[in-house]
Amino acid sequence: AQSVTQLGSHVSVSEGALVLLRCNYSSSVPPYLFWYVQYPNQGLQLLLKYTSAATLVKGINGFEAEFKKSETSFHLTKPSAHMSDAAEYFCAVSSAGGTSYGKLTFGQGTILTVHP
Amino acid sequence: GAGVSQSPSNKVTEKGKDVELRCDPISGHTALYWYRQRLGQGLEFLIYFQGNSAPDKSGLPSDRFSAERTGESVSTLTIQRTQQEDSAVYLCASSLRAENYGYTFGSGTRLTVV
Repeated sequence: AQSVTQLGSHVSVSEGALVLLRCNYSSSVPPYLFWYVQYPNQGLQLLLKYTSAATLVKGINGFEAEFKKSETSFHLTKPSAHMSDAAEYFCAVSSAGGTSYGKLTFGQGTILTVHP
Repeated sequence: GAGVSQSPSNKVTEKGKDVELRCDPISGHTALYWYRQRLGQGLEFLIYFQGNSAPDKSGLPSDRFSAERTGESVSTLTIQRTQQEDSAVYLCASSLRAENYGYTFGSGTRLTVV
């Protein structure tokens, strides 16, 4: 079984400040990991994904995440927040192989608020 | 089409009625997934299609829920005898192949059961 825990349902930062959204996972097999962003009244958009290549993954809009196996973490960061980054962010882990190929298990989400 | 299309975008129904939610995936995408997002919660997996077959339907919450896919294209999620706890946003996603891990999500259908 796989699970994802996102620490902090709400994160608030000032514009220009560092963004850090935390994600820890549990998986019995080597995981694939994902971050998605959801803007109000829109579907989810893939920000970045880790699929067992480089442990530091760069995504869209200046976001990046680092896979740390020893810490079972995949935290999302951005050096300088922009007002347009305000959205809900979801971390997800994949279930690869078998009959559930491609199925994702999502965390509960973190709402990012950016203050001027 | 250019993206994953879901219809209707909003649906209000009376408790006990049946509803059908439609998903048009990106043309050529063989893998299709349905998820449910209840207010303030993460996404719950419902069902996965590979072509027209559903190898994994483990997330369907009860026998009131069913889904089908035809022509390796359109999928319909049907909820019979709707209950208030069925109120949620139902999201569909498609991928070229299941192993691509490159989901494209639709904008969802917001279902409200009154």
